[in-house]
Amino acid sequence: AQKVTQAQTEISVVEKEDVTLDCVYETRDTTYYLFWYKQPPSGELVFLIRRNSFDEQNEISGRYSWNFQKSTSSFNFTITASQVVDSAVYFCALKRYSTLTFGKGTMLLVSP
Amino acid sequence: NAGVTQTPKFRILKIGQSMTLQCTQDMNHNYMYWYRQDPGMGLKLIYYSVGAGITDKGEVPNGYNVSRSTTEDFPLRLELAAPSQTSVYFCASSNTGTGTNEQFFGPGTRLTVL
Repeated sequence: AQKVTQAQTEISVVEKEDVTLDCVYETRDTTYYLFWYKQPPSGELVFLIRRNSFDEQNEISGRYSWNFQKSTSSFNFTITASQVVDSAVYFCALKRYSTLTFGKGTMLLVSP
Repeated sequence: NAGVTQTPKFRILKIGQSMTLQCTQDMNHNYMYWYRQDPGMGLKLIYYSVGAGITDKGEVPNGYNVSRSTTEDFPLRLELAAPSQTSVYFCASSNTGTGTNEQFFGPGTRLTVL
């Protein structure tokens, strides 16, 4: 069975702090795909990044970076110099065939 | 492109009533999905469709029905609403089911059953 664990329910930081959101997954598949989505207070789901199981390169996009480690089944997300606009719920998801399994999400609160 | 649209945005139902949540996408995507999101929880898959005329159950299908007569539309039907179906419902679509194609989500429908 597929499972995604986001152990951090809520994280509070002050603006400009760096913050890492953890994601640990379980799967028996050798080919799989990982995603991060952002859900701001307005409620919509915004796609952030995808990664396939054969590509362990870390990725950086502006203040966002992702660390994928198959050895520990983790796909962690770091926000550098956080901003108030980063306040949202962040979901990690694991894809098998055509369906996504979501973690419970981590609520990030960035205060000024 | 409007992307994925959902109607209504909000709805209050009484126990035992029925309703249909509408979902339409204009991206010509073959795959469409219905999720529900309960407070403090991630999204759980209710039903999905890999193309017109083909649907399949997800993790939590009980109490729901779907149909897919066109590529664009994927309505979700609640026949006998129960308080346990109070949730936010998201529709999503993707170009293909496999690979790294991401799912595009609609704005959600907030449903309360009293």
